[in-house]
Amino acid sequence: DIQMSQSPSSLSASVGDRVTITCRASQSISKYLNWYQLKPGKAPKLLIYAASSLQSGVPSRFSGSGSGTDFTLTISSLQPEDFATYYCQQSYSTPPTFGQGTKVEIK
Amino acid sequence: EVQLLESGGGLVQPGGSLRLSCAAAGFTFSNYAMSWVRQAPGKGLEWVSAISGSGGTTYSADSVKGRFTISRDNSKNTVYLQMKSLRAEDTAVYYCAKDMGELPWLAGGAKFDYWGQGTLVTVSS
Repeated sequence: DIQMSQSPSSLSASVGDRVTITCRASQSISKYLNWYQLKPGKAPKLLIYAASSLQSGVPSRFSGSGSGTDFTLTISSLQPEDFATYYCQQSYSTPPTFGQGTKVEIK
Repeated sequence: EVQLLESGGGLVQPGGSLRLSCAAAGFTFSNYAMSWVRQAPGKGLEWVSAISGSGGTTYSADSVKGRFTISRDNSKNTVYLQMKSLRAEDTAVYYCAKDMGELPWLAGGAKFDYWGQGTLVTVSS
């Protein structure tokens, strides 16, 4: 199975900050990397698929980049509703596997 | 509007069984693969099982193979997860997720564009 690792595990940031989360795969996964947002008690939300494609309805302050083994999720200007946990997931091979998550907290 | 509503979670003893259901609405259900994904307390997400739109193809994680069975009833727009021989490590919130496409998963498949809010399964004596 492909192992996914995220960094940092958590971060504190203020509204308006630029936030970057990194995801690394244990082998090349081309561009097949997706990002999700999880909030307690709510349905998880797909943000980015295929490394850089913005899911319909997701604000443009979210962006993704990368290919091969290294990927990033960037929030250009953090909003109050963005405080959540973010997960990357590879869709290159079965089983799909997730990173351990990055919790974005209010500074 | 796509809606996914899980049900059937609860407290079960080790070795017991439970069946989860996920009722779907707002899309042509039979055209899409569906998956179950779980999150143990304080842990990350783990994909569990997937089923094709017709129900003819299924995949399962090694951790549940032989114990969990995914199925679907397209006439009821519902996907199920039958869980047997439950263990403490199966304790988790179980999410139902809609795939953006179909099985088999080629490279780039397994993209989950809609999820339910989850149902909690607790395995404990």
